[in-house]
Amino acid sequence: QKEVEQDPGPLSVPEGAIVSLNCTYSNSAFQYFMWYRQYSRKGPELLMYTYSSGNKEDGRFTAQVDKSSKYISLFIRDSQPSDSATYLCAMSVLGNTPLVFGKGTRLSVIA
Amino acid sequence: GAVVSQHPSRVICKSGTSVKIECRSLDFQATTMFWYRQFPKQSLMLMATSNEGSKATYEQGVEKDKFLINHASLTLSTLTVTSAHPEDSSFYICSAFSGAGDSNQPQHFGDGTRLSIL
Repeated sequence: QKEVEQDPGPLSVPEGAIVSLNCTYSNSAFQYFMWYRQYSRKGPELLMYTYSSGNKEDGRFTAQVDKSSKYISLFIRDSQPSDSATYLCAMSVLGNTPLVFGKGTRLSVIA
Repeated sequence: GAVVSQHPSRVICKSGTSVKIECRSLDFQATTMFWYRQFPKQSLMLMATSNEGSKATYEQGVEKDKFLINHASLTLSTLTVTSAHPEDSSFYICSAFSGAGDSNQPQHFGDGTRLSIL
């Protein structure tokens, strides 16, 4: 079993849809949970950052962490064509320990 | 916000050439920097962890003599791919972290370097 599982997609949705992305993990020591967005040929861009369990909202983005289920989610409301990218979940035990990434989910938002 | 600059963004060179990639934290001091490698349509794979003033820690399967890492200051880490060969062609990305281990700070990534060895 991989440490972090993420459905690679691709996922295609119409503009304005609510997108749900998720990852599961096996290491209960993970405390820091992140979602990154990566456009083609660019480095990952931090979208959401959560410490421990709970929800966090930032504009159209909501991140949820359920440590009891080892499950994290990212919701994108009112999706836009500019949201088309690969979304990577990542997690770490401490802030200065390496991130363990999911495979990434390719999202296409169709106008 | 925190910015990490990576240079060069693109390198094309002949087999046998050594290539140096720089990773700089522009507005914070990076106690730890990480180097990742990403193949097309794959996720990021950690190559090594670099702490300022000490030797880098390499992941299993990563040749330390092939991929030389230097973290000489709190704002600069370099990765040198020595005697590069076509199989070293990949997307190399660095990330930097500014806090202590339990600091509630995220890692920030550079924009990556696309290395193509002919």
